Formats: sequence, C-alpha cells, structure tokens
Amino acid sequence: QSALTQPASVSGSPGQSITISCSGTSDDVGSFNLVSWYQQFPGKAPKLMIYEVNKRPSGVSNRFAGSKSDTTASLTISGVQPEDEAVYYCSSYTGSTTLVFGGGTKLTVL
Amino acid sequence: VQLLESGGGLVQPGGSLRLSCAASGFTFSNYAMSWVRQAPGKGLEWVAVISNSGGTTYFADSVKGRFTISRDNSKNTLYLQMNSLRADDTAVYYCAKSTGQYQLLSSFDYWGQGTLVTVSS
Repeated sequence: QSALTQPASVSGSPGQSITISCSGTSDDVGSFNLVSWYQQFPGKAPKLMIYEVNKRPSGVSNRFAGSKSDTTASLTISGVQPEDEAVYYCSSYTGSTTLVFGGGTKLTVL
Repeated sequence: VQLLESGGGLVQPGGSLRLSCAASGFTFSNYAMSWVRQAPGKGLEWVAVISNSGGTTYFADSVKGRFTISRDNSKNTLYLQMNSLRADDTAVYYCAKSTGQYQLLSSFDYWGQGTLVTVSS
C-alpha cells in the first residue's frame, strides 16, 4: 500500500492553467479507472473534485478536469483563481481492495 | 447530507477508543462507508471500509488486526473500534460516504468534520 506520488507543490498566476500529476503503479492507477481528486483547505474536510478519473460532481467548476495515461493521473485547473489555493490529493482503488492516497500537492496562486 | 463524528479524545498507548459517525440526509443503508485519517500536518490515509449491508469489511495494513469497523443501519451510525492504540495512530479521523450506491471503494462525496484522536502518555 505505497502512497501515490504527487509533487509537493505547484504554483501559477491567476488565469494560468496548472497540472498536478499523480503517479501510481499497475496495481492501482494503471489498472482501475477509479482515480479521484480532493481539495482541502486548512482545518477543513477534503472536498471531492474529480472521481472515476474525469467525472465532476455537481457543483464543481468545469475549470477542474481529470485525465489518466498508463500509471499516471493528472488534475488540470484551467484559469486558476486565488480561491483555488489549497492542498490537492489524488487517490486510487487498488487490486488489494484498499484505497491509496497521494502525499498531497500544495497549490500556490501567485 | 450530514456526517457527524464523535468519540475522539486523549488515550494512552495500548488503550482503546470507539468513534461514531451519525449520518443523515441520505439512505444510509444503500452506501458503503469508510474511515480516513490525517495525522497532524500530514496527508490523508484511508483506514477502513464497510459495505452497505455491513457484511464486508477491509482495512489498511497499518490498522489490520487492531481496528474494527461496523455499522448500525437502524441507527444510521458508523463505528470504528480502535484497540492497541499507538502514538502513530494520532490523527483527525473522518468518516466518508462512498459516492455511488452499493459501490464499495472508489471515491467519497461527503465527509464529516473529523474527530481528533491523540495517543499519548
């Protein structure tokens, strides 16, 4: 149950597009279309932003998009806004009937 | 949808604690439920899942054999019994609802506010 690999931090200016990667293995990201992305503000519970690789829950801005290629998933935020500054976590179902999270990526909007 | 955890607190190493999560606003018996924890200043860690009926459970290796997950669908309540607690179990514990009906483990569309468990002498 090794954690998925995310960059510790990414940054962008308002209006730019940023992408956060999430690297897994053939036992998790590579084998299942069950990758999710969460946004978390300090002291708050996580919020689901993307599920099943590229589906957006109702109410989530279409500026957020998910994708996957082989064993790497990605979250792209188009036209990043100051209110998007948060920590983002990916997760994936695994073949061991467990769930694994990434270490989290701190997004800074410059 | 509301998820309200309770039962956290300070416990000595080797001790036990039972967390509860009261659910409302959805048909509780139709959804699998999980516990996810977050150590202070650290990332998220999935802990355990229970199927909608309660008949199937899975655990992270880090808690297997020490924690049990259960639910009472008549009371719309999820539980986490934690035994043989260690310092590295110190974390905020969240209960989380699976996104899809009858879907065991994929994503979580609603989370509680969390309850802090501190294991220390």
